[in-house]
Parts: sequence; structure tokens; C-alpha cells
Amino acid sequence: QSALTQPASVSGSPGQSITISCTGTTSDVGGYDFVSWYQQHPGKAPKLMIYDVTNRPSGASTRFSGSKSGNTASLTISGLQAEDEATYYCSSYTSITLAWVFGGGTDLTVL
Amino acid sequence: EVQLVESGGGVVHPGGSLRLSCAASGFTFDDYAMHWVRQAPGKGLEWVSLISGEGDRIYYADSVKGRFTISRDKSRNSLYLQMNSLRTEDTALYYCVKDLGGYDDFWGQGTLVTVSS
Repeated sequence: QSALTQPASVSGSPGQSITISCTGTTSDVGGYDFVSWYQQHPGKAPKLMIYDVTNRPSGASTRFSGSKSGNTASLTISGLQAEDEATYYCSSYTSITLAWVFGGGTDLTVL
Repeated sequence: EVQLVESGGGVVHPGGSLRLSCAASGFTFDDYAMHWVRQAPGKGLEWVSLISGEGDRIYYADSVKGRFTISRDKSRNSLYLQMNSLRTEDTALYYCVKDLGGYDDFWGQGTLVTVSS
């Protein structure tokens, strides 16, 4: 069982917006602004899309945005495109192990 | 150009050992904490271990503590993971990661470890 909880799957039509949640505790998501989001296509290494809750690294599309409220972080993808179909993972620093934990991953289907 | 190239994976029997390596280039190796993250076939990501830039702070996931040892060699710009007492549940693709969750986050392509009798 993963330390962070994500929905197993979400779907949306091209052009729509979707949001993926990531729920933790006060020891991780709720206690620190060190939440990141990764996109992984089959057979590829994960790619960072959001770091430190809301920041986008260079190379990440502006259609991706992050937020946090309490113990739950969220990734929103606007203007869905076929290329967004992938598995998305959240990650957070945790004071329990003094390191990092991942969510179980969410499969995004673009209908 | 940043590059992380993992090697050392393979097939090993339960109870056996393997040493993974990660050759880094294109950045100042000592400036960054380095991580190992693994992904079992068809499963999600699991953080394994972290070593600070100076090598003085090291952390492990509970699932590997006491069996795996992370290290780095600044003269070779390389990261290592010594894996002992391997179990079938350690079967996974092992990624070397620079600055996990930070602005300069970068992942290698991984090396596959299969533990099977």
C-alpha cells in the first residue's frame, strides 16, 4: 500500500480539464511544500511536471498546474490533449523516513 | 547535456547480491543529492534510497534497510547501490535520479533487476 493515495484512474475528453488528487498526512503532503508530480508514458522514465506544489520546471507544459489544501495536493491538466494520456504519480517529502514517498499512480485516459 | 546511465542489473537467485552503478555527466555531481527509485513490473514507483551531495547523509526505505547500501564516488562521478540478501519482491527496474522532486530533477533510463529461482 502506497503512502500517498491517488485515484486509480481518471478520464476526460480533448479540450476538457481534469484534476488528480493526492492525499497524505501532516507528516508529508500537509506538513511540507515539497510535493511533486510526474508523468510516465509506457516504457519511459518518469518526467517531472510540477515541483514544490505549484512550480513548473522548464519544458513542462503550462497546461499543467498544481495546488494543495490541507493534506491533499492536486494536479490539474487543462485543454486535454491525446499526448497527455499517461500514468501520473505524486510524490512528497515525508518526515517519517526523512525522505520521499510516492502515490500509487493514476492512469489518465483521453477519450 | 545531463546524462545518467545505470548498469549492473541482471538475473540473480534469492539471497544473492548485485551492485548497481550510475554514471553521471553533464552537471557538477557533488552539488546534488542522488536517489535510487524502483518500479516493479506493471507497478508504481517506490523510493529506495538517498545520499546527500557530500555523502554524509544517507536514508533508506524500510523495505531495503539493512540489505542495501548506497554510496557515491566523486572521482568517478558515479552512484552505486549494493544489494544483498535479494528477495523476489526486489525485482524491478531501478532508476538513478538526480535532485528528486526539485527543479533539476532528472532520471536515467533504469537497469532491470530480476530475482528468481
